[in-house]
Order: sequence, then C-alpha cells, then structure tokens
Amino acid sequence: AQKVTQAQTEISVVEKEDVTLDCVYETRDTTYYLFWYKQPPSGELVFLIRRNSFDEQNEISGRYSWNFQKSTSSFNFTITASQVVDSAVYFCALSEAGNQFYFGTGTSLTVIP
Amino acid sequence: SQTIHQWPATLVQPVGSPLSLECTVEGTSNPNLYWYRQAAGRGLQLLFYSVGIGQISSEVPQNLSASRPQDRQFILSSKKLLLSDSGFYLCAWSVIAGLTDTQYFGPGTRLTVL
Repeated sequence: AQKVTQAQTEISVVEKEDVTLDCVYETRDTTYYLFWYKQPPSGELVFLIRRNSFDEQNEISGRYSWNFQKSTSSFNFTITASQVVDSAVYFCALSEAGNQFYFGTGTSLTVIP
Repeated sequence: SQTIHQWPATLVQPVGSPLSLECTVEGTSNPNLYWYRQAAGRGLQLLFYSVGIGQISSEVPQNLSASRPQDRQFILSSKKLLLSDSGFYLCAWSVIAGLTDTQYFGPGTRLTVL
C-alpha cells in the first residue's frame, strides 16, 4: 500500500488563484515526520517544510501554508495568490523511524499567466 | 553551510557501457547519504543509502551498485548500463540525528542510455 498518496497528478491554475495540493499518508508509528519538496524544471528537489507528528499547528510562510490534520492523516499545502514561478512538481514525503523517506508520486502544478 | 555536489550534470552513454556518478557533501560530518532515481513520470525511487563509510544498503536489486569510499563521498556505478537505467539520479544527505532528519538534495544527473 502507498504510504503517501498525492491523488492530484496535475493541476493548472491561473495566476493569482489559490491552489491546494493534497497529501494523505499512512503510518502506524506515533512519531513520524512529514515533508514537502518542490521540484522546479531544473530538477533539483528543494526542501520546503518539515513537520513532526506531535505538532499539529498549521504553518504559514509567505504565500505558502500547510494544514496538518492527524485525524484525517493529511498534510495539505496551499499556495495563495499563485505565481508563474510556482510552476513545479511538488512532492509530499513521510519519514518514520529508520531515516527512510517515502515519497508521494508528486503533483505537477502549472500556473498560467 | 552545507552543500552537495553531483557530477556530471548530464550524461549520454551507450548500452553496455560502464557508469560512475559521484556525489560529495561539504560542510558536515558523518552524513547519511542516499541515491534516488527518478524515471520519466516523476516518481522517486530510493536505490541505496549509507550511514557510514563502507556501509551500503540496497533497496532495489538491479545492475547498479554504490560505494562510499570517504565520509562525504558517495558513488553510484554500473558495469553495464541498460536502457532502463535512463533517468534522473539524485543524491541526498541528512544528518544522523537519532530519529530522522530532513534530506537535502543535490542538483541531479540526467542519464540517457542509448
């Protein structure tokens, strides 16, 4: 079974629209970490955020915000007022004990000017 | 600050030829090191990881191998490339921090096997 599911394969939005990328995870561990990475066309994966399982506070960083809900095993990522530079593939990842990552299959976001 | 390097950036190789991709990390000691492959279609596949010199764990049986001759150097090799080895190879590092830590990725090597 997939440990991390990103059901949205591709999303297109018009610039300045808000967009939410969904991430659902599966784990039996009580201690785990969740991550989001951005992969622009250049290819390098850029780390965006890390959240541990004991911290359900939502986080905002500029136009980015993350909604962590243990009750639904979700860690969704919202971009407000999207820009063309936000066009990329976004990966959600889960890490349990053992320092291995389980990546989702990614969501390709295209922001249309 | 820590930086991670990979080379070459791009590589075109014929089927059956050998391969050597190199990854080095600067600015940290005793990192965990990882090799991932990303085939067309975006999914990331963990190939190998290493928690120390000479310690390699293989996640997927294949014709690739990895070595860690120095603390901050990680090499991905093959004796004979297959067409299916084409893809984008990413190296990553993380601090050995007890439980788990963020993985930071290098710029990647795009390999095309013809």
